[in-house]
Amino acid sequence: EIVLTQSPATLSLSPGERATLSCRASQSVSSYLGWYQQKPGQAPRLLIYDASNRATGIPARFSGSGSGTDFTLTISTLEPEDFAVYYCQQRLSWPLTFGGGTKVEIK
Amino acid sequence: EVQLVESGGALIQPGGSLRLSCAASGFTVSSDSMTWVRQTPGKGLEWVSIIYSGGGTYYGDSVKGRFTISRDNSKNTLYLQMNSLRAEDTAVYYCAKTMTGANNWFDSWGQGTLVTVSS
Repeated sequence: EIVLTQSPATLSLSPGERATLSCRASQSVSSYLGWYQQKPGQAPRLLIYDASNRATGIPARFSGSGSGTDFTLTISTLEPEDFAVYYCQQRLSWPLTFGGGTKVEIK
Repeated sequence: EVQLVESGGALIQPGGSLRLSCAASGFTVSSDSMTWVRQTPGKGLEWVSIIYSGGGTYYGDSVKGRFTISRDNSKNTLYLQMNSLRAEDTAVYYCAKTMTGANNWFDSWGQGTLVTVSS
């Protein structure tokens, strides 16, 4: 099983700041990594797939990068609605796995 | 518009069985891959099972042999049959649809249904 480790667990930032979230895989997942956003009481929402492709309707301030074992989700300028928990997911091999999440909170 | 509505969650005793349903609209369940993902209260996400448009299925190790994913094309509904339930199966269960043209990325989700396994 591929283990995804996200860091930091919590990121405290102010609106307008830049957020950089990390996801590290226990073995290479090539570019088969995605990112989801989840707000309290809501289902996850796909942001990024295949490391760097934005899903339909996702604002350009969200970007993904990386390959192999190290990946980054960047939110260029935090908007109030971006404060949430973010999860990475790999689709290279079974079982599909998610990271433990990074909470982006208002400082 | 794609919509997914889960139902069937309940309080169930350990060892019991439960069937979750996910009613789909705006697309046909047979034409896209569908998955179940669960989330323990206050915790992270765990992939449970997937059924491909061609009918192939896969399961997470923790549910293999106990859970069965299926679909009814005539009702446009996805199911998850859960047997031999354990306390650690307690979670919110989400159904989700795979993004068209990109397998195993889930771009439409239901609101979730809560399963509580407890005596």
